[in-house]
Formats: sequence, structure tokens, C-alpha cells
Amino acid sequence: AQTVTQSQPEMSVQEAETVTLSCTYDTSESNYYLFWYKQPPSRQMILVIRQEAYKQQNATENRFSVNFQKAAKSFSLKISDSQLGDTAMYFCAFKRYSNNNDMRFGAGTRLTVKP
Amino acid sequence: NAGVTQTPKFQVLKTGQSMTLQCAQDMNHEYMSWYRQDPGMGLRLIHYSVGAGITDQGEVPNGYNVSRSTTEDFPLRLLSAAPSQTSVYFCASSSGPPYNEQFFGPGTRLTVL
Repeated sequence: AQTVTQSQPEMSVQEAETVTLSCTYDTSESNYYLFWYKQPPSRQMILVIRQEAYKQQNATENRFSVNFQKAAKSFSLKISDSQLGDTAMYFCAFKRYSNNNDMRFGAGTRLTVKP
Repeated sequence: NAGVTQTPKFQVLKTGQSMTLQCAQDMNHEYMSWYRQDPGMGLRLIHYSVGAGITDQGEVPNGYNVSRSTTEDFPLRLLSAAPSQTSVYFCASSSGPPYNEQFFGPGTRLTVL
């Protein structure tokens, strides 16, 4: 079974600084997808960034980037120039290529951006 | 284009009562899923569907039933509510490969007394 571990229950960062959220996963699959979702206080789940395991290049979306280490099964999220609106729960998620519905989530990291 | 909608937003039940959580999507997605979110545990998959008439169990299916009679709708039924089913429930839909992005509804907060 696939498992996703987020070892940092809570983190905080000063506005405009950079923060990195950690995620590790366990799988025997070679093809899969990894995701970071943001959940603000509104409770809405918002996709932040996506990485296909077969791509060696790390995904980036504006201020968000990932460090994908396939051999180490690590998938960290870096947020640059942190903004107050980045305050939220962040979930790392794993999906097997062979099953589009079986998405496994980590327990989440609560990020607070301080002014 | 409303995306994924869920009703109700909040619900309080007594132990043993039954209810249906509604989910609908207007993106013509084949794949739909139900998750529950509990503190400290992230989201866990309850049931999913890969198309009208096809459903399957996820990680935590006990106590829940689903059906998929149309592409748009995927209701979740609690036949006899228990306090352990107190949670936030999310419905999601996905177009499948190659993007595999799941679009989530706004969630339903359910309390079982």
C-alpha cells in the first residue's frame, strides 16, 4: 500500500521569506503522480503543483516549486516570497498511474505566514 | 460552470439516522470520489466511481454506500449514522489521464451525536 508522510505538523515563516515543506512517500510503483494541495480556512482544496514521476525536471508554478527526489521518495514544496494568503494547511498526495481514483494524502502541514 | 457542488454544507444527525450527501459536477468527468477528512489524518478515500454504473471501495468504505446512475451525480449514503462518522466529507471529480487533476467540492461538515 502507498503511504505519504508529512513530518512537520506545523510551520511558520515571515512574510517575504522562503519556506520548505517536506513530504516522503512509500511505493513500489514506478509510474505515479505527486501533488501538493492547499486548504485555506475556507476548507476548499486547491491544487498548488503537480509532478509526474517520469519527469526528471522539477515542477514550478510561479512562487511554488518542488524538489522531487525519486530514489529517495521525497517530494518537498518550496514557497518563495511567502505571502499572508499562503497561510493554510498543505497536503502532499500520491496517485498511482494505474488507478486514477486511488489518491493517498499525507496528514498535512499547517503553515502560518507572519507579517 | 459550477465545478463540483456538494449539499448540504453542514449537517447534524443523531446516532442511527440515515442521510444522503449530494455531489454533482458539470465538467463531464468520468472519475468521481468521496473522501473524509479527520484531524491529523489528511483525506481518506471512501468510495469512487470510474463512470456511470461503476463504483468501487476505497480505503475506508464501511458504513457508506454509493451509486452512480449519471455522469453528473455521485451521492454518498449513510445508512445508520455513528459518532465515528463525524467528519468533513469531500467529493471530487477528475478527467483522468493525462492531467489527473482532482477538482474538489467545498465539503460537508457532518456531526453525529
